[in-house]
Amino acid sequence: SQKIEQNSEALNIQEGKTATLTCNYTNYSPAYLQWYRQDPGRGPVFLLLIRENEKEKRKERLKVTFDTTLKQSLFHITASQPADSATYLCALGNSGGYQKVTFGTGTKLQVIP
Amino acid sequence: KAGVTQTPRYLIKTRGQQVTLSCSPISGHRSVSWYQQTPGQGLQFLFEYFSETQRNKGNFPGRFSGRQFSNSRSEMNVSTLELGDSALYLCASSLSADTQYFGPGTRLTVL
Repeated sequence: SQKIEQNSEALNIQEGKTATLTCNYTNYSPAYLQWYRQDPGRGPVFLLLIRENEKEKRKERLKVTFDTTLKQSLFHITASQPADSATYLCALGNSGGYQKVTFGTGTKLQVIP
Repeated sequence: KAGVTQTPRYLIKTRGQQVTLSCSPISGHRSVSWYQQTPGQGLQFLFEYFSETQRNKGNFPGRFSGRQFSNSRSEMNVSTLELGDSALYLCASSLSADTQYFGPGTRLTVL
């Protein structure tokens, strides 16, 4: 069955450093991969999307890589700030124009001042 | 533009009861998806509606149902509530197939 794995343990990093979060998947050939941020008690907020034929995407301090051979995506936040503390979810989407996205369980990031 | 709104925000029910949750998508968005989020299982896809038709369905029992109205507003219903149905129920609307905008969710507690 399809499986998406994110670090279940929280990631603690020092302010100013680069945070790197991992998303691995099996038994899936996604058309695209998304990253979301979720704060406690709130709905996820879309951050970035990368398609199967793209290797890397950037947006301000965020960078996502997508390796379909390794079946892995890395999500980087450079110059991290305490305000970046949240849970980050990766999600895989299929093709066909239908909205059926499968989410990972998320990684909690804590940026320490 | 106003974001996705969900009502109510919090709900407490007892086992055996039924519940209806409501979602108003972003204006112009015709696709609405529903998710259940629990600490143990994470975000799980319930179903997706587009132009009043269910296009996709997740692996949930028939107690979970939904519908979409002509103005794209959507409701989901859970009948015969069980303790395990306690969760955050999230609605997301989208204009294109690859980006979703989530509402704040409805926190359902089943006692």
